[in-house]
Amino acid sequence: DTQMSQSPSSISASVGDRVTITCRASQSVSDYVNWYQVKTGKAPPRLIFPGSSLSGTVSSRFSGSGSGTEFTLTISGLQPEDVATYYCQQSYDFPWTFGQGTKVEIK
Amino acid sequence: QVHLQESGPGLVKPSGTLSLTCTVSGWSVSADYWNWIRQTAGAGLEWMGRIYPPGTTYSNPSLQSRITMSLDKSKNQVFLRLTSVTAADTGVYFCARGSSNSFDIWGLGTMVAVSS
Repeated sequence: DTQMSQSPSSISASVGDRVTITCRASQSVSDYVNWYQVKTGKAPPRLIFPGSSLSGTVSSRFSGSGSGTEFTLTISGLQPEDVATYYCQQSYDFPWTFGQGTKVEIK
Repeated sequence: QVHLQESGPGLVKPSGTLSLTCTVSGWSVSADYWNWIRQTAGAGLEWMGRIYPPGTTYSNPSLQSRITMSLDKSKNQVFLRLTSVTAADTGVYFCARGSSNSFDIWGLGTMVAVSS
């Protein structure tokens, strides 16, 4: 299986800060990486889909980049509603696998 | 608007069978593929498997011998069965629509505890 490793495991930042989360794949996954936002009791929205494409209903302060084995999710201007755990996920080969998550909090 | 709702028993006994239903509204289950994903303390988020209408399935090899998926077009529902459950299967279970090599729409999830 392709392992996805995220860093950091948690981050605390101030409102308005730029936050960057990194995801590394154990082998090349081309650009087949998705990012999701998970909050307890809510349906997780897809933020980014393959090709670093922004999902239609997602705020433009979220952006994704990367290819091969290294990927990043950037939140440009952290907002209180962004407090959540963020997961990367590869859809290059089966079984599709997730990173272990990055918890984002407000300082 | 597409909406997915998972339902089923919140408590299952060890060695028993976990059975969940995903009810889809605003979209036909015949029009896409459907996935089951779970979040457990041990494995984090884990893709369990997917089903393509009318019934082709692909499962995570880690679960292959225990998982069964099916769908009912007349009720617009997708089903999951997981046999021989242990405490390690305790977690939140999600159904999600598959599109553009991703899980584009998820349900709220349902919590399942395995305990005697």
